[in-house]
Amino acid sequence: ETGVTQTPRHLVMGMTNKKSLKCEQHLGHNAMYWYKQSAKKPLELMFVYNFKEQTENNSVPSRFSPECPNSSHLFLHLHTLQPEDSALYLCASSQEVTSLGTDTQYFGPGTRLTVL
Amino acid sequence: GDSVTQMEGPVTLSEEAFLTINCTYTATGYPSLFWYVQYPGEGLQLLLKATKADDKGSNKGFEATYRKETTSFHLEKGSVQVSDSAVYFCALSVANNNDMRFGAGTRLTVKP
Repeated sequence: ETGVTQTPRHLVMGMTNKKSLKCEQHLGHNAMYWYKQSAKKPLELMFVYNFKEQTENNSVPSRFSPECPNSSHLFLHLHTLQPEDSALYLCASSQEVTSLGTDTQYFGPGTRLTVL
Repeated sequence: GDSVTQMEGPVTLSEEAFLTINCTYTATGYPSLFWYVQYPGEGLQLLLKATKADDKGSNKGFEATYRKETTSFHLEKGSVQVSDSAVYFCALSVANNNDMRFGAGTRLTVKP
């Protein structure tokens, strides 16, 4: 399998549930990202991992908890979410983040999350 | 701060029409510029990119030229197809930043 994959593609959860989103990249990249895409809003960066180290947390509420066990896998653990957290969650990867900035990012298909 | 502004949509065109989607940027350094496309139900796909002034990115009939003097990176296609219907995002990446800055997206609908 190639590129960036995300599972599940669709998720419906209640506000008290705990669930996890999974992202896997097969590109040999070292940087991975979580974005949130809401209707009629610009893409919002949530977290950045570079060589498994978190380098960015864009003021994301603690009910979202990322985990990066290795350079190929990225998780987003969800707990006690709110209805306004319903959105498309996109994972991306790039070669790495350096002082020159981030290289081209490659995106997965996203997980469509609905919080009831 | 660094940012991207792109024309608001939606844009509706007939097949074979000429397309322009405007994008301008503000950056303190020398950004790389990107166009991404998002087809319905999918994630973003890189369409083209340019890394320095006067570079032209091109792919699938789409082109964009990095214009430093006008801080622009407008997307063009000479003859659009129904299959080009999607949302198009302009983005930039600047040194010492961990993230890319995306525009709000422009929805294009091409009618037969």
